[in-house]
Amino acid sequence: GESVGLHLPTLSVQEGDNSIINCAYSNSASDYFIWYKQESGKGPQFIIDIRSNMDKRQGQRVTVLLNKTVKHLSLQIAATQPGDSAVYFCAENSYQGGKLIFGQGTELSVKP
Amino acid sequence: DAGVIQSPRHEVTEMGQEVTLRCKLISGHNSLFWYRQTMMRGLELLIYFNNNVPIDDSGMPEDRFSAKMPNASFSTLKIQPSEPRDSAVYFCASNPTGVNTEAFFGQGTRLTVV
Repeated sequence: GESVGLHLPTLSVQEGDNSIINCAYSNSASDYFIWYKQESGKGPQFIIDIRSNMDKRQGQRVTVLLNKTVKHLSLQIAATQPGDSAVYFCAENSYQGGKLIFGQGTELSVKP
Repeated sequence: DAGVIQSPRHEVTEMGQEVTLRCKLISGHNSLFWYRQTMMRGLELLIYFNNNVPIDDSGMPEDRFSAKMPNASFSTLKIQPSEPRDSAVYFCASNPTGVNTEAFFGQGTRLTVV
């Protein structure tokens, strides 16, 4: 069946270091991917997205990489800050199906 | 725009009672998603609507759960009767129809069934 999963449930990094959060997806029909950040007590918040016709997209301090060959997605956060501590979710959307399916999430902890 | 608005923020109810969760979409958005979040299962898609029509309700756990969109800007998720295992945070999210774009989430309703 369709599924989106994460390799690592927790990630601890030092402030100032770069963070990499990974995600695997199984639906080859998915053509749009999103990374969300969720802070405690809040709803998921959009960080960055990427469409299947791209393999890299950059935002402010964040980069998303898409490898369609191995169905892998990653989120890179440069110069990680304490405010980046949160749970990060990848989500996939198939325009054909319209569903937005979330992975299990990775908790990022930034040590000062 | 105030974003997606959910109410109540917190709900504590006794087992067997009916619970109604409410969601107001962002103006102009046509797709509506209801999710349930638990530690064990993460973010589960329960149902989604497009232009007020339920497109996929395969994630709705049981007949005790029902969702409606009485108009283009409002949705309800009802649980009747509620059970302790329904305790979770329920989110709704909306996005414009017809394009692959991010869904905007509300702040969630934390439901506790005792």
